Amino acid sequence: KNQVEQSPQSLIILEGKNCTLQCNYTVSPFSNLRWYKQDTGRGPVSLTIMTFSENTKSNGRYTATLDADTKQSSLHITASQLSDSASYICVVSAIDDYKLSFGAGTTVTVRA
Amino acid sequence: EPEVTQTPSHQVTQMGQEVILRCVPISNHLYFYWYRQILGQKVEFLVSFYNNEISEKSEIFDDQFSVERPDGSNFTLKIRSTKLEDSAMYFCASSESSGGAAVETQYFGPGTRLLVL
Repeated sequence: KNQVEQSPQSLIILEGKNCTLQCNYTVSPFSNLRWYKQDTGRGPVSLTIMTFSENTKSNGRYTATLDADTKQSSLHITASQLSDSASYICVVSAIDDYKLSFGAGTTVTVRA
Repeated sequence: EPEVTQTPSHQVTQMGQEVILRCVPISNHLYFYWYRQILGQKVEFLVSFYNNEISEKSEIFDDQFSVERPDGSNFTLKIRSTKLEDSAMYFCASSESSGGAAVETQYFGPGTRLLVL
């Protein structure tokens, strides 16, 4: 069964600091991995999409990495801002599969 | 910037009643999806829709659920006889092409919060 596990479940950081979120998956055969940001009560918003051949992708202060061999990904947030407070969700899809497998998300709280 | 819209934003219904959740996908998109998120849990795929038919559905999407594209702009999710456990946030999404295996961004709507009493 395709699974996506994220850690930590939640974290609190001070404004201006960096943090790294982890994602492990067992989706196979792997097609691509996405990171979404979900504000409370809102729909997920895409941050990055990476395929098998991509190791890293950035979107502003967000940098995602992918190790397809170990089936791990990370999302690094640089110089956090209060508006970064949200749930960050790792989403993986398999080849020839329309549906996305969602992780439970990491809730990030940025404090002034 | 074009966006996916959903109505209503909130819906309260009695158990056993039918509900229809509405979505207007981004206009040039061809693939449409419904997801649900029970409070405190992960987002779950329900169904994908292309060319006026279901492409794929999850085990959650049983006979109680149906989807329709009644006109050129709306995409609806109907729950025939709601149960307490159907209470969740329902998200509609759309993409230009196949959003799963293809490297294509799915754009999510703001969601409809359904509460079944």
